[in-house]
Amino acid sequence: DTGVSQDPRHKITKRGQNVTFRCDPISEHNRLYWYRQTLGQGPEFLTYFQNEAQLEKSRLLSDRFSAERPKGSFSTLEIQRTEQGDSAMYLCASSPSYRGQGGFPYEQYFGPGTRLTVT
Amino acid sequence: AQTVTQSQPEMSVQEAETVTLSCTYDTSESDYYLFWYKQPPSRQMILVIRQEAYKQQNATENRFSVNFQKAAKSFSLKISDSQLGDAAMYFCAYPRIYDKIIFGKGTRLHILP
Repeated sequence: DTGVSQDPRHKITKRGQNVTFRCDPISEHNRLYWYRQTLGQGPEFLTYFQNEAQLEKSRLLSDRFSAERPKGSFSTLEIQRTEQGDSAMYLCASSPSYRGQGGFPYEQYFGPGTRLTVT
Repeated sequence: AQTVTQSQPEMSVQEAETVTLSCTYDTSESDYYLFWYKQPPSRQMILVIRQEAYKQQNATENRFSVNFQKAAKSFSLKISDSQLGDAAMYFCAYPRIYDKIIFGKGTRLHILP
């Protein structure tokens, strides 16, 4: 396995359009996280899944945002009616639930991110 | 709620010199982990070093070491023999067990040739 992958790497969209990002975690990992990172800031938590169950959503995740992980493998993050304030890097990370599931359980393994620019 | 504070937005160090990045945190937990992540320009974030709070010995990974002061809630990162490839954003991070990671705002490290 080559690590966490995200697609696309860059997305430019016009205000009001919908966008969808995809994340493929490390295959052995059953936990998947989404973060948002704006310029000069650290990543901020958005939501996370254990298998297909979405266990927590941040207050940052307005009703225009929705995330899914339908079969407990890849995940999608959709933003509807994008606004300029949505411009950011969207990071995905995965982690194992226990040692031996591919890594250290408290560590999250990050993908390269999707950079969204809303014009 | 846990918080992580990095008070140095940017730092510069001469190549081959040593630099220390500061971090303070707050938690009511007695057992926890602390991480330093590195985010090179346009590249993904990777874990540099981790510290377990119940271990008094400071963690070391090659040229990277930490100074963990549990009572003071301080967790600094020391980079020895700085190399050009060390240029990156460095994030101090508090991983909540089986939960989100709380990140500081980061320190951008410049390496001067």
